[in-house]
Amino acid sequence: VTLLEQNPRWRLVPRGQAVNLRCILKNSQYPWMSWYQQDLQKQLQWLFTLRSPGDKEVKSLPGADYLATRVTDTELRLQVANMSQGRTLYCTCSAEGLGANYAEQFFGPGTRLTVL
Amino acid sequence: AQSVTQPDARVTVSEGASLQLRCKYSYFGTPYLFWYVQYPRQGLQLLLKYYPGDPVVQGVNGFEAEFSKSNSSFHLRKASVHWSDWAVYFCAVSLHYNVLYFGSGTKLTVEP
Repeated sequence: VTLLEQNPRWRLVPRGQAVNLRCILKNSQYPWMSWYQQDLQKQLQWLFTLRSPGDKEVKSLPGADYLATRVTDTELRLQVANMSQGRTLYCTCSAEGLGANYAEQFFGPGTRLTVL
Repeated sequence: AQSVTQPDARVTVSEGASLQLRCKYSYFGTPYLFWYVQYPRQGLQLLLKYYPGDPVVQGVNGFEAEFSKSNSSFHLRKASVHWSDWAVYFCAVSLHYNVLYFGSGTKLTVEP
């Protein structure tokens, strides 16, 4: 059963142009939603975790600037700007509560971004 | 500093041979530990997870991992590797609620 949908699945991004990504949660039992990036060397890095509608966070990392927004209980967005190197962005979800069963992250299929 | 280390960037084994992929963590306290797998051109899937209890945990597809507090390790094992196990394997630790910190990954190649 698919818990997360991500769109688009891939995108060519002209240098200097921003791109908007969406993640849709299919099961409300996993309300904690996060973004992770995977760079071209396959390194995985946590970016954000947003729980409540209206939550927003920004972050700048080597190669891209990010703005994450929890739009609704089921939708998480990510704006990627000033991207200089390609990467894949994964949306994840996890359950409410404590312990390893709640620390487990379920990954979406990912959005692959390539710089033109 | 809290971290996860996978010392082997690449491992090659023959099909049918046994496998061990190493993971060392640095963490103050008792961590929650995970192994994820990424098959070619796919996303990440959970293989197994550890929470305090039995140090040997069973996962999917015949994988298991053993937690050692004294060695700060969480090594992944499989008794007999199949060609379909060709993938990148990531060890991860949950240091903060809902945040996973990943090792650099080990690329497994399976020879016929």
